[in-house]
Amino acid sequence: SQQGEEDPQALSIQEGENATMNCSYKTSINNLQWYRQNSGRGLVHLILIRSNEREKHSGRLRVTLDTSKKSSSLLITASRAADTASYFCATSSEGTSGSRLTFGEGTQLTVNP
Amino acid sequence: DSGVTQTPKHLITATGQRVTLRCSPRSGDLSVYWYQQSLDQGLQFLIQYYNGEERAKGNILERFSAQQFPDLHSELNLSSLELGDSALYFCASSVGVRTGELFFGEGSRLTVL
Repeated sequence: SQQGEEDPQALSIQEGENATMNCSYKTSINNLQWYRQNSGRGLVHLILIRSNEREKHSGRLRVTLDTSKKSSSLLITASRAADTASYFCATSSEGTSGSRLTFGEGTQLTVNP
Repeated sequence: DSGVTQTPKHLITATGQRVTLRCSPRSGDLSVYWYQQSLDQGLQFLIQYYNGEERAKGNILERFSAQQFPDLHSELNLSSLELGDSALYFCASSVGVRTGELFFGEGSRLTVL
């Protein structure tokens, strides 16, 4: 089963608008990451936020993390057609000897030119 | 280009057969992760290896096995294939044993007929 759940499942906006995607998770985490996937391609890391951080920025990306609500959001500002992709949140949990990154179901973002 | 190489890119085989997927991690990365992505199950973590040793195990079927060799490349073996095994199989790598940023390959698309 997936740790994270993204909301919405699909989002369609016009170029220049902002896109906000939300992620909720169930268990305690070490960090939360956001990845992007173009159709049928490999995932690309966008940003990592640690459990003791509340907000992080990278270019047009802004990520927030609320560990009390077990939720995160990804904001893409001034969207471009090239931002069209699936976006996944992933939570990191560590075992005694290894670790895993558990992905949510993803949000399909379509940016219309 | 993530630096992670996966072969083959596409594979078509019949039920009951066995296939081997290969992954070369990014130079310097010691951890290799295998993920399965299908339409109905999303991205599922299968297994993690670090410097040749299995470190974390996810939803990997008994029919599947993996290993990481001394040169750090990894192979995922899928046997007694079923129609439901059709999916994109991703390999990812990272520097350490704990999950920071993962670098994903472009995946191996397996079709079982």
